[in-house]
Amino acid sequence: DVQVLESGGGLVQPGGSLRLSCAGSGFAFNSYALTWVRQAPGKGLEWVSNSGSGGSTYYADSVKGRFTISRDNSKNTVYLQMNSLRAEDTAIYYCARIVVVTVTNVYYFDYWGQGTLVTVSS
Amino acid sequence: IQLTQSPSSLSASVGDRVTITCRASQGISTSLAWYQQKPGKAPNLLIYVASTLQSGVPSRFSGSGSGTDFTLTISSLQPEDFATYYCQQFNSYPWTFGQGTKVEIK
Repeated sequence: DVQVLESGGGLVQPGGSLRLSCAGSGFAFNSYALTWVRQAPGKGLEWVSNSGSGGSTYYADSVKGRFTISRDNSKNTVYLQMNSLRAEDTAIYYCARIVVVTVTNVYYFDYWGQGTLVTVSS
Repeated sequence: IQLTQSPSSLSASVGDRVTITCRASQGISTSLAWYQQKPGKAPNLLIYVASTLQSGVPSRFSGSGSGTDFTLTISSLQPEDFATYYCQQFNSYPWTFGQGTKVEIK
């Protein structure tokens, strides 16, 4: 079965750093793009960052320059390094697999993890 | 690209036909997906490419539209359909979600 599993969330002070991990299983990890999506308490969904199968990366403006996405295909894991954290980064962070059909510009998130909670507070 | 969903919330009864709209601030062809999210759970993919039903999703769900105007329709609302629904565009970065539509029991 396809699974993605997030870890690494926790409580961090403003200005601090945290690294989230997303481990994939049940699929050819190195052939898929992965994404991070976050949800602040009681709010809607916000796309954060993508890691493409070929190494491309994309970021939301709200995290650009502070967050870095990377992947280790030997460990079937994508990481989200979060620096200079702010109170507004407090959210559940979800990892999801992206289905990409580039010839037809088709994308969608088909498998999601259960999320990991990041709380930025003093 | 901004996505605006309407209504933000609605109350409906089991068996009702429910329609949720998603309007894009510029044309996005059919680069749109719909997700369902229940409290305390991760989102679940319902529809992609505006109108393609994800495998395993009940056929009472359907999607339509292209360009700037899209709809998600639930033909006969079931108890397990009470949830929040989000649209998402993939036409250009940054990818964006609508603000969500909460479907509640009347």
